[in-house]
Amino acid sequence: AQRVTQPEKLLSVFKGAPVELKCNYSYSGSPELFWYVQYSRQRLQLLLRHISRESIKGFTADLNKGETSFHLKKPFAQEEDSAMYYCALSGQGYSTLTFGKGTMLLVSP
Amino acid sequence: DAGVIQSPRHEVTEMGQEVTLRCKPISGHDYLFWYRQTMMRGLELLIYFNNNVPIDDSGMPEDRFSAKMPNASFSTLKIQPSEPRDSAVYFCASSLVTDYPKGTGELFFGEGSRLTVL
Repeated sequence: AQRVTQPEKLLSVFKGAPVELKCNYSYSGSPELFWYVQYSRQRLQLLLRHISRESIKGFTADLNKGETSFHLKKPFAQEEDSAMYYCALSGQGYSTLTFGKGTMLLVSP
Repeated sequence: DAGVIQSPRHEVTEMGQEVTLRCKPISGHDYLFWYRQTMMRGLELLIYFNNNVPIDDSGMPEDRFSAKMPNASFSTLKIQPSEPRDSAVYFCASSLVTDYPKGTGELFFGEGSRLTVL
């Protein structure tokens, strides 16, 4: 079975502070990991995926197979980063995504 | 492309009534997913289709829930009879898997249908 755990329901930081949204997963094979984001009044959308190894809007995430983690990081948070963030996992060869319960990020001025 | 289109955006109904949620996927996408979002359980996959064929409905809570995809451009999720615990936001998403078996296509979500059962 595959499972995604996001331990924090809410993360509140000040503008300019570093941000780390935690994600741990459980999967026996080689997973694909994703971060999806939902801004206020917008659709849930893909932020980044680990196989792309890219930085989107200043966010990066590294897959750590030893710790089974895929934490999302940004060195300097901006107010416009306030949103709901979901970590998601897809098993190898499958097209479905298992989502974590999400973390609400609030960036205050 | 307008993206994935869901209707209605909001539905308020009374317990026992039938509810039908509708979804139009992005043209050309071959996968369609129905998810339910609640505060307690987050985003749960209910059912998904590939080329209009239901592949996995193990997430459907019980027999009161049913989903159909009569053609590539339309899907419905029906709840009959509805109960207060069905209150949630229901999302439809579609994707095109271009690098199977290695990869998973990006999911494109609709705006969701917020259901309230009184």
